[in-house]
Amino acid sequence: QKEVEQNSGPLSVPEGAIASLNCTYSDRVSQSFFWYRQYSGKSPELIMSIYSNGDKEDGRFTAQLNKASQYVSLLIRDSQPSDSATYLCAALTGANNLFFGTGTRLTVIP
Amino acid sequence: GAVVSQHPSWVICKSGTSVKIECRSLDFQATTMFWYRQFPKQSLMLMATSNEGSKATYEQGVEKDKFLINHASLTLSTLTVTSAHPEDSSFYICSAIAGGARSYNEQFFGPGTRLTVL
Repeated sequence: QKEVEQNSGPLSVPEGAIASLNCTYSDRVSQSFFWYRQYSGKSPELIMSIYSNGDKEDGRFTAQLNKASQYVSLLIRDSQPSDSATYLCAALTGANNLFFGTGTRLTVIP
Repeated sequence: GAVVSQHPSWVICKSGTSVKIECRSLDFQATTMFWYRQFPKQSLMLMATSNEGSKATYEQGVEKDKFLINHASLTLSTLTVTSAHPEDSSFYICSAIAGGARSYNEQFFGPGTRLTVL
């Protein structure tokens, strides 16, 4: 099993809907998780970090971490066309190396 | 937030030549920097971890003699692709962890360097 696995999608949602992105991880990573957004041809930008079990909300974004099931998710409420991008889930190893999932391509349809 | 720059943004070179890419932390000191490579439609793959003042740690399968990393100061790391070949064409991205009061877990990414080897 890879350190971090994501459904590569693509995922399409209508404008205003909730987009749900999911990621699972292995025992080889630590308990620090991150969601990055990457536009085509650009480098990733950090959206959310989550370290504790439960939900963490920041504006239209909510990250959810479930340690028992080893998954982390990102919900985007009121999706906008500008949210269309590839979303990367990442997790830290004990050596502080970031391992990325393959990314989920999200398209928000106006 | 913390700003990381890369230079050049893109470079085209002939096969067999060497290319140097710079990564700078502009408003913080970076004790650790990372170099990633991303091929089209694929995720980021960690190449190496660069610690200021010491040798870089390379991931399995990355040739250290081909990808030379130097982290001579707390604000600058360089990646030199030696004897570049077309298969080295990729998007190279660096990131940095800020020391001190900033979250040790958060990596700040540079804008990336697109390398094309003819």
